[in-house]
Amino acid sequence: DAGVIQSPRHEVTEMGQEVTLRCKPISGHNSLFWYRQTMMRGLELLIYFNNNVPIDDSGMPEDRFSAKMPNASFSTLKIQPSEPRDSAVYFCASSLAQGEGQPQHFGDGTRLSIL
Amino acid sequence: AQSVSQHNHHVILSEAASLELGCNYSYGGTVNLFWYVQYPGQHLQLLLKYFSGDPLVKGIKGFEAEFIKSKFSFNLRKPSVQWSDTAEYFCAVGRYSGYSTLTFGKGTMLLVSP
Repeated sequence: DAGVIQSPRHEVTEMGQEVTLRCKPISGHNSLFWYRQTMMRGLELLIYFNNNVPIDDSGMPEDRFSAKMPNASFSTLKIQPSEPRDSAVYFCASSLAQGEGQPQHFGDGTRLSIL
Repeated sequence: AQSVSQHNHHVILSEAASLELGCNYSYGGTVNLFWYVQYPGQHLQLLLKYFSGDPLVKGIKGFEAEFIKSKFSFNLRKPSVQWSDTAEYFCAVGRYSGYSTLTFGKGTMLLVSP
């Protein structure tokens, strides 16, 4: 079975540029999560969706960050304009929403470097 | 708000040594507990989980964890580590209120020397 698919795997760009990260969740999963991982702050939840609707975006650091989920099989995380401090690994994860004990399944991540 | 505390940021062991990684959480309600592992350059993978029943949970690759409700702890153990266990380990607390969300600890980096 295909897992969570993220693209690109690596992105290097100059500050000020727009960055778009993409995620395809596991088919049938109705919750989707975006995380950011850095050495200093560990794994931080940025936003999560349930049935394509954003439930909690309190982890989104600034207005420069936005996320969308236009359908059940696709989500984007956009940073505009990007800054060097946005450099991190960004993970997407998906899970079934219903019922307790549902684990999250993670993609391979996008390693983002802003110069 | 719930939080997860992992006691050690880095652990160095020799092969065949026993492992115990501490995890404490703060949350008053019913919790689901998870351990994830992240091998170098890879994504997080589920090691094991607890949400009800026997508080001693067995996971993949010989790992186990024990949920002690009175201590708000969910420590990860393995009797004999291997070089291939070198990875970062994350404890997570799940909360279900119609939607399942996770709060992760900062992680413990385990280095196993051959």
